[in-house]
Amino acid sequence: ETGVTQTPRHLVMGMTNKKSLKCEQHLGHNAMYWYKQSAKKPLELMFVYNFKEQTENNSVPSRFSPECPNSSHLFLHLHTLQPEDSALYLCASSQDLVQSSYNSPLHFGNGTRLTVT
Amino acid sequence: ILNVEQSPQSLHVQEGDSTNFTCSFPSSNFYALHWYRWETAKSPEALFVMTLNGDEKKKGRISATLNTKEGYSYLYIKGSQPEDSATYLCASRNDYKLSFGAGTTVTVRA
Repeated sequence: ETGVTQTPRHLVMGMTNKKSLKCEQHLGHNAMYWYKQSAKKPLELMFVYNFKEQTENNSVPSRFSPECPNSSHLFLHLHTLQPEDSALYLCASSQDLVQSSYNSPLHFGNGTRLTVT
Repeated sequence: ILNVEQSPQSLHVQEGDSTNFTCSFPSSNFYALHWYRWETAKSPEALFVMTLNGDEKKKGRISATLNTKEGYSYLYIKGSQPEDSATYLCASRNDYKLSFGAGTTVTVRA
């Protein structure tokens, strides 16, 4: 049990579909992250939320839309994706983004394996 | 995007042997260096977070060192076991951004 739960574990969607990825943490953390992991590439930061406020959008296309209704939940809404968006999407949380917490580790979920057909 | 590099990309080690691999990161505006272990079908798990030059941390047979002046960290596995097979990720926090390397995949042969 990692404390960070992602659903679904696997998702296959067509390019015209709309779907959402869900992430939930029960660690009392205030920062939450979406990462994308493509084969043989480093984890690529997509979005960061700190105390429910988006602090980072790493030039992510608008077909990816994040939502953070509270510090425990994070969503990634997907629409009109492209086949090259197929990847593993990882959610993570950490204490917060205050400088004194910079040495706090990230806690990851198991990820959602997304295939766009 | 910061340039965090890990080498080698992969390595094979015989059970019982020791091994080590490298993470290089920018030394400017450095705050912390993270190491994670990522086993297949599981989530990345934090091993160490180091902040000070010369830091050394140990967890069982795994240890890590940090050189912030030259921007590198080594991860050591002593007496490798099959359960050590995983991808080991490092990540550097410079300013407030945390950037990951592509990982070193370790396969321990019995």
